[in-house]
Amino acid sequence: EVQLVESGGGLVPPGGSLRLSCLASGFSFSTHAMTWVRQAPGKGLEWVSSISGSGGSIYYADSVKGRFTISRDNSKNTLYLQLHSLRAEDTAVFSCAKHRTSGYVLPPLDFWGQGTLVTVSS
Amino acid sequence: DIQMTQSPSTLSASVGDRVTITCRASQSIGTLLAWYQQKPGKAPKLLIYQASILQSGVPSRFSGSGSGTEFTLTINSLQPDDFASYYCQRYNNYPTHFGAGTKVE
Repeated sequence: EVQLVESGGGLVPPGGSLRLSCLASGFSFSTHAMTWVRQAPGKGLEWVSSISGSGGSIYYADSVKGRFTISRDNSKNTLYLQLHSLRAEDTAVFSCAKHRTSGYVLPPLDFWGQGTLVTVSS
Repeated sequence: DIQMTQSPSTLSASVGDRVTITCRASQSIGTLLAWYQQKPGKAPKLLIYQASILQSGVPSRFSGSGSGTEFTLTINSLQPDDFASYYCQRYNNYPTHFGAGTKVE
């Protein structure tokens, strides 16, 4: 059974930093690209960043480029998202998601975690 | 950057209704479009990918169609479990984008 469990969210002041983690199990983690998606309270889904299975290809939304860094440790089956220079508008539930097709860097996303809440406020 | 316009934003329906949601792309994306269902407080669920392929385990009352710039998600005979929000996602390239969502109430 595929499981994705996020952690690391919390309350952080504007300008602060956080590192989110996503522990994966139940599939061949290293062969699947992974994605972070966020959802602000009461709003829709926003793609944040994606990374290939090897980590060699990385993509960011313009809204987070230069502030967020995606990475993965395939030996630990863990996906990360480092958040810097956080703003109030970054307040959201951040979810990790698995890409459906092994070896393919683009979506769709066939399994999602429940998410971790990041609140940016003083 | 190719934008996605999803409509309607809210849809009122009853059990047994046939429901149609539309997603339009600002440029052709072939058939590289997915549909997701999300219930409050829950993770999104993949329903359809490549515009018309039903994800394993998804009931056959869900169907997708379209190519190029116009896509449709249809729910035949709406069931109580189908009251949720629905999102399209284009994935022809990066940046990938989701539609704004449709709440079926």
